[in-house]
Amino acid sequence: RKEVEQDPGPFNVPEGATVAFNCTYSNSASQSFFWYRQDCRKEPKLLMSVYSSGNEDGRFTAQLNRASQYISLLIRDSKLSDSATYLCVVPRAGYSTLTFGKGTMLLVSP
Amino acid sequence: DTEVTQTPKHLVMGMTNKKSLKCEQHMGHRAMYWYKQKAKKPPELMFVYSYEKLSINESVPSRFSPECPNSSLLNLHLHALQPEDSALYLCASSPLGLSGNTIYFGEGSWLTVV
Repeated sequence: RKEVEQDPGPFNVPEGATVAFNCTYSNSASQSFFWYRQDCRKEPKLLMSVYSSGNEDGRFTAQLNRASQYISLLIRDSKLSDSATYLCVVPRAGYSTLTFGKGTMLLVSP
Repeated sequence: DTEVTQTPKHLVMGMTNKKSLKCEQHMGHRAMYWYKQKAKKPPELMFVYSYEKLSINESVPSRFSPECPNSSLLNLHLHALQPEDSALYLCASSPLGLSGNTIYFGEGSWLTVV
């Protein structure tokens, strides 16, 4: 299994839709996980952190399944401004740095 | 707004030039990073500094030379680059010990090698 694996998409959804992305990871010792959002030609920005079973922030919910080693990101009531690439990020073994997934592109259309 | 500041935002350099990218953070973070990002790819780690000492070098070619003058500053010296080195160079910082912590990126420096 690769360190971090994501479906690259793109996911094309209409405004108001609910969309979910999954990410699998190989390091079973990881305790914390992150979703970053990256807009075109911008730097990655932290969207959510996941430390236990999950985390919710408004329209965004992140879930962690340790048994199956995957993290999910659910976006409800999609907005045009949600269009971006979503990067799943997992600390490298030893917590010296982070490993980035290849990202999932989301396109929200009117 | 990001609290990690990078300069310059854009740089065009010839293959024989010597230039530097600069990064500054005032969050008191003791770990600083250089990442390279090509189009439609995730950021790739280049270097990690912990307490101003180089702790990780991801087998980066010697034409890239990092420097950490103090806990707030991080430089990347560039010399004899190749066109394929053209990319977005991202500086980042974090508290030491990533368990429960995350890293914060600067806006990046767009480098074009001609």
